[in-house]
Amino acid sequence: DTGVSQNPRHKITKRGQNVTFRCDPISEHNRLYWYRQTLGQGPEFLTYFQNEAQLEKSRLLSDRFSAERPKGSFSTLEIQRTEQGDSAMYLCASSSGTAIPFVQETQYFGPGTRLLVL
Amino acid sequence: AQSVTQLDSQVPVFEEAPVELRCNYSSSVSVYLFWYVQYPNQGLQLLLKYLSGSTLVKGINGFEAEFNKSQTSFHLRKPSVHISDTAEYFCAVSDPGNNRKLIWGLGTSLAVNP
Repeated sequence: DTGVSQNPRHKITKRGQNVTFRCDPISEHNRLYWYRQTLGQGPEFLTYFQNEAQLEKSRLLSDRFSAERPKGSFSTLEIQRTEQGDSAMYLCASSSGTAIPFVQETQYFGPGTRLLVL
Repeated sequence: AQSVTQLDSQVPVFEEAPVELRCNYSSSVSVYLFWYVQYPNQGLQLLLKYLSGSTLVKGINGFEAEFNKSQTSFHLRKPSVHISDTAEYFCAVSDPGNNRKLIWGLGTSLAVNP
């Protein structure tokens, strides 16, 4: 168990550029979550995958944001035409949920990708 | 709407002293409750969680929390802190309408001084 990994750890970009982040969950975890955390705030839920299916997307996620998990393993989060307000820490988490009526399972977090939009 | 309030944004404490980090939530239905810790430049790590059963929950690193339904609180405690406990602590509650989604507090910064 190597834990959840995220790449890159840091990204500096200019306003208007596109950026893509990658998350590798704990192997065999079927649930994957993306959160955004700004300074002095708790994480905010962005989106959630069960295997390769994106089951929920927050209203915080504008059309410029897209997430994929094509083979039900790693996931990517892309931000198009970045804005300064997108500057934040982007956190990925995974968990080993099952189809049984839901019991909240532990979400394991990666170290995050810190984005700075100039 | 569900909300989580962490009553202290910063808690300074001396090493080996006891500490309590306070968390209140707003919900009239059953929820699941969590405390996470975030060390500098690291991701979030689960300290402990309350799903059901005993209201006193023990977690890692000597932390424990008590669920109080009547006061809608889930305060985190440690009888004797170490320098290494310096970190940001987040309380979270599951959204009663969506158990997969966690609602987070703003965090409490614990600073343990020698």
